[in-house]
Amino acid sequence: DAGVIQSPRHEVTEMGQEVTLRCKPISGHDYLFWYRQTMMRGLELLIYFNNNVPIDDSGMPEDRFSAKMPNASFSTLKIQPSEPRDSAVYFCASRTWSSGGAGELFFGEGSRLTVL
Amino acid sequence: AQSVTQPDIHITVSEGASLELRCNYSYGATPYLFWYVQSPGQGLQLLLKYFSGDTLVQGIKGFEAEFKRSQSSFNLRKPSVHWSDAAEYFCAVGRSQGNLIFGKGTKLSVKP
Repeated sequence: DAGVIQSPRHEVTEMGQEVTLRCKPISGHDYLFWYRQTMMRGLELLIYFNNNVPIDDSGMPEDRFSAKMPNASFSTLKIQPSEPRDSAVYFCASRTWSSGGAGELFFGEGSRLTVL
Repeated sequence: AQSVTQPDIHITVSEGASLELRCNYSYGATPYLFWYVQSPGQGLQLLLKYFSGDTLVQGIKGFEAEFKRSQSSFNLRKPSVHWSDAAEYFCAVGRSQGNLIFGKGTKLSVKP
């Protein structure tokens, strides 16, 4: 079975450019998460969706960040305009519902973003 | 607020030696606890998880962890470390709303 698929794996862009990161969750998973990983702050939850609906976006840093999930098999994280401090590895993860609301997250391999 | 603390940023052990990585959590209810491993350039892979029941849980690659409610801890152990275990290890607590809160991670180096 295919795991969580993210693209691009690496992105280098210049400050002010728009960046779009893509994620395909595991088929049948109804939760999708976007995390950002940096040396300073570790793994931070940006936003998560349940059945394509955003549930908690309190981790989105600012209005330059937006995320969408138009259907159960695709999500995007967009940064416009990008800034050097956005440089990080962005992970997408998905899971199914489980009793009590918590369950194993399956992670993609990440998108490493460098903003010059 | 829920939080996870991994007090050791970097640990070095010799191959064949035992390993214990520490994790403390803060959570108001019965926690769902996880350990993940991340190899360089890779995503996170689940090692083991605790939801309820036996407080000693077994995971993949010979790892185990023990839940101690009185100490709010969920330490990861392995009796004999292999060079391939060099990676970064993350402890996480699951919230009832469904997301996970991760610790800052512990980087493990293995000496030959």
